[in-house]
Amino acid sequence: ETGVTQTPRHLVMGMTNKKSLKCEQHLGHNAMYWYKQSAKKPLELMFVYSLEERVENNSVPSRFSPECPNSSHLFLHLHTLQPEDSALYLCASSQDQVKLYNSPLHFGNGTRLTVT
Amino acid sequence: GQSLEQPSEVTAVEGAIVQINCTYQTSGFYGLSWYQQHDGGAPTFLSYNALDGLEETGRFSSFLSRSDSYGYLLLQELQMKDSASYFCAAVYNQGGKLIFGQGTELSVKP
Repeated sequence: ETGVTQTPRHLVMGMTNKKSLKCEQHLGHNAMYWYKQSAKKPLELMFVYSLEERVENNSVPSRFSPECPNSSHLFLHLHTLQPEDSALYLCASSQDQVKLYNSPLHFGNGTRLTVT
Repeated sequence: GQSLEQPSEVTAVEGAIVQINCTYQTSGFYGLSWYQQHDGGAPTFLSYNALDGLEETGRFSSFLSRSDSYGYLLLQELQMKDSASYFCAAVYNQGGKLIFGQGTELSVKP
């Protein structure tokens, strides 16, 4: 399998549930990202990891908790979410975070999250 | 802040040429990328401009003018499969951040 894979593709959860999103990249990249995509809005950068260290946290609520155990895997742990958190959550990777200008992002197909 | 502006929707017919514009904030700007996203799919990288001028890749070309804080994506010989959302994305602070526009939904009609 190649590229960036995300699981699950769809997730419905209640506001009191705890769930995790998983992302795996098979490209040998050093940087991984979580983006949130809501309808009619720009993609919002949530977290950036470079060489397994978090280098960016864009004022994301603490109910979203990322984890990067190695350079190939990225998780987003979810707990006590709100209905407005319903969105498409996209994972991406790039060869290097610092040299992003010549290092395009490779996205997964995303997890469609619905919070009820 | 660092925000990008692009039209929300564009409609064109097969075989035509369409231009999708993008304006950006200049502070800390490094370069402009374009991504394509089909409905239900992942965004995919199309092009990157760090210097002024036109970059051509097959039917798609991308242009940047730093003096005007403006760029565009040009799609030629439109095909039905080009119906998708197109996002401009600006690199800021020497590659530290990639900020996306809200996307332009292109509909190609027969």
